[in-house]
Amino acid sequence: DGGITQSPKYLFRKEGQNVTLSCEQNLNHDAMYWYRQDPGQGLRLIYYSQIVNDFQKGDIAEGYSVSREKKESFPLTVTSAQKNPTAFYLCASSPLGQLNTGELFFGEGSRLTVL
Amino acid sequence: AQKITQTQPGMFVQEKEAVTLDCTYDTSDPSYGLFWYKQPSSGEMIFLIYQGSYDQQNATEGRYSLNFQKARKSANLVISASQLGDSAMYFCAMRSADRGSTLGRLYFGRGTQLTVWP
Repeated sequence: DGGITQSPKYLFRKEGQNVTLSCEQNLNHDAMYWYRQDPGQGLRLIYYSQIVNDFQKGDIAEGYSVSREKKESFPLTVTSAQKNPTAFYLCASSPLGQLNTGELFFGEGSRLTVL
Repeated sequence: AQKITQTQPGMFVQEKEAVTLDCTYDTSDPSYGLFWYKQPSSGEMIFLIYQGSYDQQNATEGRYSLNFQKARKSANLVISASQLGDSAMYFCAMRSADRGSTLGRLYFGRGTQLTVWP
């Protein structure tokens, strides 16, 4: 089945450690996104990418890094520079083009807890 | 500036009744899209309904309808005949091309927690 796979679903990290969240899609979508969700805050955009080897910062990119070496993959690294990394992270993808509504297709999310 | 506003942190509705979840938006772009997503406690985001800014009729998908009032910049979600399984967080979102944002980038509201009781 086509979809977006995020792993791990739950992750615990000690302060000062970098962690990488995986996101893989087999929908053949050009665009991929990372959102962060905190209680009462809705979803906030961290990074997004429209094409391989290119990505742009979203609204809260500080302390995060991404790469887009393959169309199918868009991993997110939460670095030690991120001051408050405990959150729920959602990866999404969408097709591009005038005929598309811009609907996002989401993975099931990764919950990161910093101990 | 906040682009999407959901003023109801929580809503309660009895099973089989209809409920309206409010959403207002702000954009200067003449072309935009409005979305509603459902997020159950499991965390996945489920797409419910879409309304384009040029669509003449309100969007409907089964028990979901979007009450689109362009002049008021509102896009309320109406759920008819509520079911216990409708209990979830609901997010309104907008795709806007202003300020150079790419097609497909969505701005989300803070959500409304809907509880359906028997």
